[in-house]
Amino acid sequence: DQQVKQNSPSLSVQEGRISILNCDYTNSMFDYFLWYKKYPAEGPTFLISISSIKDKNEDGRFTVFLNKSAKHLSLHIVPSQPGDSAVYFCAATPGGSEKLVFGKGTKLTVNP
Amino acid sequence: NAGVTQTPKFRILKIGQSMTLQCAQDMNHNYMYWYRQDPGMGLKLIYYSVGAGITDKGEVPNGYNVSRSTTEDFPLRLELAAPSQTSVYFCASELAGANEQFFGPGTRLTVL
Repeated sequence: DQQVKQNSPSLSVQEGRISILNCDYTNSMFDYFLWYKKYPAEGPTFLISISSIKDKNEDGRFTVFLNKSAKHLSLHIVPSQPGDSAVYFCAATPGGSEKLVFGKGTKLTVNP
Repeated sequence: NAGVTQTPKFRILKIGQSMTLQCAQDMNHNYMYWYRQDPGMGLKLIYYSVGAGITDKGEVPNGYNVSRSTTEDFPLRLELAAPSQTSVYFCASELAGANEQFFGPGTRLTVL
């Protein structure tokens, strides 16, 4: 029973264009969402997060959008760069929990 | 700060052998976690700890044990290795309430 779903295993975009990575969740108790980025042979690193009291959070080229009614969030990367090529994991946690629930990840390839 | 460190980076075990995966953090984080990542899958929580002397099971604890005698260290023990435990293991830590987990570089374990 996957509570956090990333339905696209992979995504390929051209350098300079927008990358949009999607994530859906089923647990209405989730109130904090995070995106992690993972390069091969390295551990995941935190990228950006959003609380359920917001619908958008920006950090440089990265923006996360949250649609609570649809239980959907997305990560936008503009403009995409070859160094953004990595696996991106969506994660969520309910209020007061120490635990994160991760999606399966989406492999982004940015072509020069 | 070294952050979260894990040893070894790679290990091959025979079925039935035992080993301990080491994890240490120097950020004075209260929370520590062990995850496994199988190919094409997200991160699954094995065990976690909210402080020295306190541990709790995650989603996939069978076949593993942990201890947390100090704030810094959180070793993961495999008692009777099985091929199903072939995976990449990540340790992570978090400052209580911060929601952002910091990950180590991972240990790639193969059980033959």
